[in-house]
Amino acid sequence: GNSVTQMEGPVTLSEEAFLTINCTYTATGYPSLFWYVQYPGEGLQLLLKATKADDKGSNKGFEATYRKETTSFHLEKGSVQVSDSAVYFCALSSIQGAQKLVFGQGTRLTINP
Amino acid sequence: DTGVSQDPRHKITKRGQNVTFRCDPISEHNRLYWYRQTLGQGPEFLTYFQNEAQLEKSRLLSDRFSAERPKGSFSTLEIQRTEQGDSAMYLCASSLWTRAEKLFFGSGTQLSVL
Repeated sequence: GNSVTQMEGPVTLSEEAFLTINCTYTATGYPSLFWYVQYPGEGLQLLLKATKADDKGSNKGFEATYRKETTSFHLEKGSVQVSDSAVYFCALSSIQGAQKLVFGQGTRLTINP
Repeated sequence: DTGVSQDPRHKITKRGQNVTFRCDPISEHNRLYWYRQTLGQGPEFLTYFQNEAQLEKSRLLSDRFSAERPKGSFSTLEIQRTEQGDSAMYLCASSLWTRAEKLFFGSGTQLSVL
């Protein structure tokens, strides 16, 4: 079946450091890929998405590129801020329009000033 | 846009009791989803509605679970004869069917079964 594997956390970085959170997936067909973020005390929010191979999703300085050859969708940011502290979830949807998302286990990120 | 609201935020119950959760989606959203999240894991899909029709249910949704969306607006999720394994965060999300790639999640209902 479909599955998503994320790098284990927690991840702790200093402000302005470079961030990478790894995500790989297993799916049949051509899934859409997503990163969701959950800030403390809030619901999950869509951070970025990519719907086909080689697409790059970007938002708030975060980027992720859909790599079909390596079945990966790694999240990156060049310079993190304290406000980026949150839990990040990689997810896929294999059925266009139905949005039955399959999530990874989440990676908790803490940024220290 | 008032967001997706869920009630209650927390529920503590004894094993064997029934519980019901409510979700109010964003008003113009015709799709509504329920997910379950246990500690240290990502959310797992339970079921979803388009308007009042329940279109898909996960195998995770045993016979003790029932979800309704009677008028295509708010939804309820009921768990009968709760078990300790039902302890989890229950998340509701909504979207427009034309923008189904963008789900808006509520803050969830945390269920603890003693």
